[in-house]
Amino acid sequence: AQTVTQSQPEMSVQEAETVTLSCTYDTSESDYYLFWYKQPPSRQMILVIRQEAYKQQNATENRFSVNFQKAAKSFSLKISDSQLGDAAMYFCAYRSINSGNTPLVFGKGTRLSVIA
Amino acid sequence: EAGVAQSPRYKIIEKRQSVAFWCNPISGHATLYWYQQILGQGPKLLIQFQNNGVVDDSQLPKDRFSAERLKGVDSTLKIQPAKLEDSAVYLCASSYTTGSSIQYFGAGTRLSVL
Repeated sequence: AQTVTQSQPEMSVQEAETVTLSCTYDTSESDYYLFWYKQPPSRQMILVIRQEAYKQQNATENRFSVNFQKAAKSFSLKISDSQLGDAAMYFCAYRSINSGNTPLVFGKGTRLSVIA
Repeated sequence: EAGVAQSPRYKIIEKRQSVAFWCNPISGHATLYWYQQILGQGPKLLIQFQNNGVVDDSQLPKDRFSAERLKGVDSTLKIQPAKLEDSAVYLCASSYTTGSSIQYFGAGTRLSVL
């Protein structure tokens, strides 16, 4: 079974600075999706960024980018120019491609605080 | 485009009582998921529907939890009787098809069992 590990329960960053959130995962599959979801106090999970494992190029969405290291099974999220609205729980998640029935497998999350 | 709707937002009950949660997915989304998120953890899948059929309910505690999606649109998750350890946020998500990689989440229902 796949597992996702987020080793940083909490992180903080100064406004306008850059922060990196870590994620590692364990799988025997070669094709899969990886995601970062943001969960603010409103509780709604919001998709931040998605990476397909067969694409070598790291995904980027505005201020958010990932460092995907497939061999190391590492998938970190970099937030540049941090804003107060970035404060939230961030969850790393894995989903198999091979079977359409597989659910998302989440890590335990990292709570990000942004200091003004 | 309207998002995934869930109600209620909060529910407080005593142990051994029953409770029901409702979810209306994004229009046209065939796949619906119910996740349980215990405090301090990531969401864990309880049940997955494709239209009105169950695709995966292997993690659903079937002695007390039940779920249905009779017309293939909205869904209800029920707990009867509730235990203290059922205190959690219950998240509903939907995707266009089972193979779609992106799931869209509702705001969840926070359940407290006293």
